[in-house]
Amino acid sequence: SQELEQSPQSLIVQEGKNLTINCTSSKTLYGLYWYKQKYGEGLIFLMMLQKGGEEKSHEKITAKLDEKKQQSSLHITASQPSHAGIYLCGADFTSGTYKYIFGTGTRLKVLA
Amino acid sequence: DADVTQTPRNRITKTGKRIMLECSQTKGHDRMYWYRQDPGLGLRLIYYSFDVKDINKGEISDGYSVSRQAQAKFSLSLESAIPNQTALYFCATQLFNEQFFGPGTRLTVL
Repeated sequence: SQELEQSPQSLIVQEGKNLTINCTSSKTLYGLYWYKQKYGEGLIFLMMLQKGGEEKSHEKITAKLDEKKQQSSLHITASQPSHAGIYLCGADFTSGTYKYIFGTGTRLKVLA
Repeated sequence: DADVTQTPRNRITKTGKRIMLECSQTKGHDRMYWYRQDPGLGLRLIYYSFDVKDINKGEISDGYSVSRQAQAKFSLSLESAIPNQTALYFCATQLFNEQFFGPGTRLTVL
């Protein structure tokens, strides 16, 4: 089982539509990171959330960490073709031994 | 110029061959990582290094070895490549809690 589950696994939306991607943890999150990956390329850091209830925005992308700190959502407003790619969440579960886990990713396609 | 570079970008090899993937960074970060990415499995950690003298196994280190030649260089070796090592390999550095990824090496083992 995955310690970080993302949903949905894939998403196709029409340009201009809003969408939400979720990342659910089996443990309390002390730091949750969102990355974007263009197909076949490296990951680009989007934002980091650390406090329950925290919300951050970058351009049309908003991420929230819920109060109980076991789930984060990434919301894109008025999607554009440039938003297409794979979105991954990551979390640091280090307890003694270093352990940083990534979710399986959500593949987003935006139709023009 | 990219801060984290990987060579080669693509490689096709045969079962049993020794392969080395190289990673260089100009960011001056102590922490470096090697991951592999497979469809449906996300990114999995192979090895990591917190400084030049520190090497640690990650989640899936069997069949791999690494060398941290300098702060800027972290190489991944497959001593005897096998087909299930076909994947996209990423090197990354870290500063505080943010990771910086290279462009990836697509490795195919026939």
